[in-house]
Amino acid sequence: QVQLQQSGTELVKPASSVKISCKASGYTFTSNYMHWIRQQPGNGLEWIGWIYPGNGNTKYNQKFDGKATLTADKSSSTAYMQLSSLTSEDSAVYFCAREQIYYYDGYYHVGVMDAWGQGASVTVSS
Amino acid sequence: DIQMTQSPASLSASLGETVSIECLASEGISNDLAWYQQKSGKSPQLLIYAASRLQDGVPSRFSGSGSGTRYSLKISGMQPEDEADYFCQQSYKYPYTFGAGTKLELK
Repeated sequence: QVQLQQSGTELVKPASSVKISCKASGYTFTSNYMHWIRQQPGNGLEWIGWIYPGNGNTKYNQKFDGKATLTADKSSSTAYMQLSSLTSEDSAVYFCAREQIYYYDGYYHVGVMDAWGQGASVTVSS
Repeated sequence: DIQMTQSPASLSASLGETVSIECLASEGISNDLAWYQQKSGKSPQLLIYAASRLQDGVPSRFSGSGSGTRYSLKISGMQPEDEADYFCQQSYKYPYTFGAGTKLELK
C-alpha cells in the first residue's frame, strides 16, 4: 500500500532553515507528482507546490517562492522541502501528498491528492 | 487566485441525519474539485474527486455534486466516525486553493 513517511517535529530558531523529508513506498516514486501543503494552527490548508521526481521539475505557489525549495532523491524515494529565513509565521504542520491523475468524463483530472504523509510539525521560536 | 468559499464553518448533526457542505468558487472550475476529510490530529484523506467521483474505499453515504462554481458534499446518514473537518480543493488553476473548512460534530 502507498505510504508517505515524514520526518518528525522540528523546533528551530528564527532566521534559520529547516529541511523536511517525505519517504515514499508502495508505488513507483518517479511516476507521480508530490505536493506539499501547509496547515497553520487552527487554520486551513495552503498549497505550497509540487515536484515531479521523475525529472525534478517543480511548480510553486508564488506566495512560497523564495521560502520553500522542493527536491527529490530517486535513489531513496524521498522528497524534501527546505524552508528558509524562518519566522514565527512559518510555524505550522507541513504535509506531503501524492498526486493521482484520474480520467473521467472525457477529461484528465489533475491535482488530486490521494495519499498524504502524517505531517511534520515545525515550530519557529527563539 | 481562485477563492473557495466554504459553508457552513461548523455544524452539528444527529446520528443518521443527512448533512450538506457547500463550496463556492470565485470562478468556474470545470469540476476540478475534490473533497477531503481530516480527523483530529490526522492528515487529510481524499473522499471525492472530479466533483462527484467517490474515492475507492470511501463509504457510499458520501456523495458530491455540482458544476461551474457551486459544489456540495453530502453525507447521507451521519455516523460517529464522520466527526471531522472537511475541506474542498480546486485544481483547475494554479495556485491550487482550499476552502477554509467545515467542522462537523455529532450532536
